[in-house]
Amino acid sequence: SYELTQPLSVSVALGQTATITCGGDNIGNKNVHWYQQKPGQAPVLVIYGNNDRPSKIPERFSGSNSGNTATLTIGRAQDVDEADYFCQVWDSRSVVFGGGTKLTVL
Amino acid sequence: QVHLQESGPGLVKPSETLSLTCTVSAGSISSYYWTWIRQPPGKGLEWIGYVYYGGSTNYNPSLKNRVTISVDTSRSQFSLKMTSVTAADTAIYYCARGFPNVAFDFWGQGTLVSVSS
Repeated sequence: SYELTQPLSVSVALGQTATITCGGDNIGNKNVHWYQQKPGQAPVLVIYGNNDRPSKIPERFSGSNSGNTATLTIGRAQDVDEADYFCQVWDSRSVVFGGGTKLTVL
Repeated sequence: QVHLQESGPGLVKPSETLSLTCTVSAGSISSYYWTWIRQPPGKGLEWIGYVYYGGSTNYNPSLKNRVTISVDTSRSQFSLKMTSVTAADTAIYYCARGFPNVAFDFWGQGTLVSVSS
């Protein structure tokens, strides 16, 4: 079965750029979606189709995907960005989530 | 915009059947893959399975033998049944709307189901 690998945690200084990776075999051939989840809340879609943003998501959020790694980038990180982030793909009509990355804003 | 709401018992005894319903409002239940996802306390997201509005289904292989997902288009609802539950099935259960190769754009708020005697 297809697997997605994320770092357990990432730290970023306030106002700096955070990058969260999602590794998978030839993931560059798939559409990667990213979700943000804050404590006690349901996940919220922040990036879909590798690098598109839903209308309510700030422009600071962007994504890329190539080779074996997809990346979520959060520019000018703010306190409100502190959350868990999950990547997700579809593989042969099944759904796969990465294990999640906890982003800490210092 | 589309709203999803999970409902069902918050406590299930070991070996019994977990039953949840997701009600879809402010949008059509047609043309999407209606999905159940769960999250054990403090852990990551696990896909359980989905039902297409036409009734076809697909399940996580690790849960396939215990799970049934069905849809009732007349009520704009879809349901999850999971048999022979154990403590390992204790989790927040989310329903969500998706489509193959597309993101899950709408999620329910989630409902905590605890398995305990």
